[in-house]
Amino acid sequence: GAVVSQHPSRVICKSGTSVKIECRSLDFQATTMFWYRQFPKQSLMLMATSNEGSKATYEQGVEKDKFLINHASLTLSTLTVTSAHPEDSSFYICSARDSSVGNIQYFGAGTRLSVL
Amino acid sequence: RKEVEQDPGPFNVPEGATVAFNCTYSNSASQSFFWYRQDCRKEPKLLMSVYSSGNEDGRFTAQLNRASQYISLLIRDSKLSDSATYLCVVTLGNQFYFGTGTSLTVIP
Repeated sequence: GAVVSQHPSRVICKSGTSVKIECRSLDFQATTMFWYRQFPKQSLMLMATSNEGSKATYEQGVEKDKFLINHASLTLSTLTVTSAHPEDSSFYICSARDSSVGNIQYFGAGTRLSVL
Repeated sequence: RKEVEQDPGPFNVPEGATVAFNCTYSNSASQSFFWYRQDCRKEPKLLMSVYSSGNEDGRFTAQLNRASQYISLLIRDSKLSDSATYLCVVTLGNQFYFGTGTSLTVIP
């Protein structure tokens, strides 16, 4: 089946550094990818919708200058957490929509970010 | 009003029990419906799509009721390995709407 690869799976960094997370669709082309954040024991929160070749659409309350999204190809979207702070520590999950199979959304394995 | 409402549970059931989850959605124009399973500290994984005619995969049965705007998931003969959070997902256009998830723990 379709596979979405997310890298890295775990990041520990110092406050003030920037962290880049990659999301790749391996078996299909994804014009739309999604970035979510999940805090412990809470539900997924959509951060932004990444559209290939155009600007991402951010959800209310998500700072676009803080969370930079680039979707330069049909198989790759990146999320950069700029100047990370401890409150940015979370589980970040990407997903890609496979429109060829009824709009099923496949998730990457997630990136656990810890900012010290 | 949330697009998707889901009882968070938790549901604690003995092994072998049958358990059912429901999820309601607010927009009648919603197009596609799915159930996902998420294990602790892992990503959600597609469990099954949901169709108006209903669909069954082994011990799992999913139903869609468009008139009442809800989807359901039935798990028969619960196994310990079924313990997880179950998320319902509804699509509308390019948007995906997730329920908050229902926590299930199957007890030996």
